[in-house]
Amino acid sequence: AQRVTQPEKLLSVFKGAPVELKCNYSYSGSPELFWYVQYSRQRLQLLLRHISRESIKGFTADLNKGETSFHLKKPFAQEEDSAMYYCALSGSARQLTFGSGTQLTVLP
Amino acid sequence: GAVVSQHPSWVICKSGTSVKIECRSLDFQATTMFWYRQFPKQSLMLMATSNEGSKATYEQGVEKDKFLINHASLTLSTLTVTSAHPEDSSFYICSARLDRGRRYEQYFGPGTRLTVT
Repeated sequence: AQRVTQPEKLLSVFKGAPVELKCNYSYSGSPELFWYVQYSRQRLQLLLRHISRESIKGFTADLNKGETSFHLKKPFAQEEDSAMYYCALSGSARQLTFGSGTQLTVLP
Repeated sequence: GAVVSQHPSWVICKSGTSVKIECRSLDFQATTMFWYRQFPKQSLMLMATSNEGSKATYEQGVEKDKFLINHASLTLSTLTVTSAHPEDSSFYICSARLDRGRRYEQYFGPGTRLTVT
């Protein structure tokens, strides 16, 4: 079975502060990990995926297989980063399992 | 970029009636689409995987006779909620998977708000 855990339902930081959204997973094989973002009143969209190893909107995430984690980080949060963030895992069946989500609020 | 549409964006129906929701991939073909349900301030729960030309695969606990899925073409999947009840009220989201060899990506529709009175 595949499972994704996001321990924080809510996270608030001040503008300019670093932010880290935690994600842990369990999967017996080699998973592919994703971060999706849902801005207010908008559809879910892909933020980044671990195999791309890229930085999108200043966000990065590193897959740590030893700790089975895929935490999302940004060194300087912006107000427009306020959104719902979902960590997701895809296994061999190429279907996504989502974590429960973290609502990020960046305060002015 | 790839776009997925859903219709209607919201619907209100009476208990006992059936409601059909359409999911279309507008600029790509998708052999696989997914249907999710999202409760307020909660995560997306996968209901079923819709496979073009074959039967849908339902997740455990999802009633296949209640949530009928048809994937008749490479750009259209439909979800019919039969004999709807108030507890079926929810936000239903579809996604379409674009396969590019070893890489793939899911594109999400905007969702359909169903309210059963």
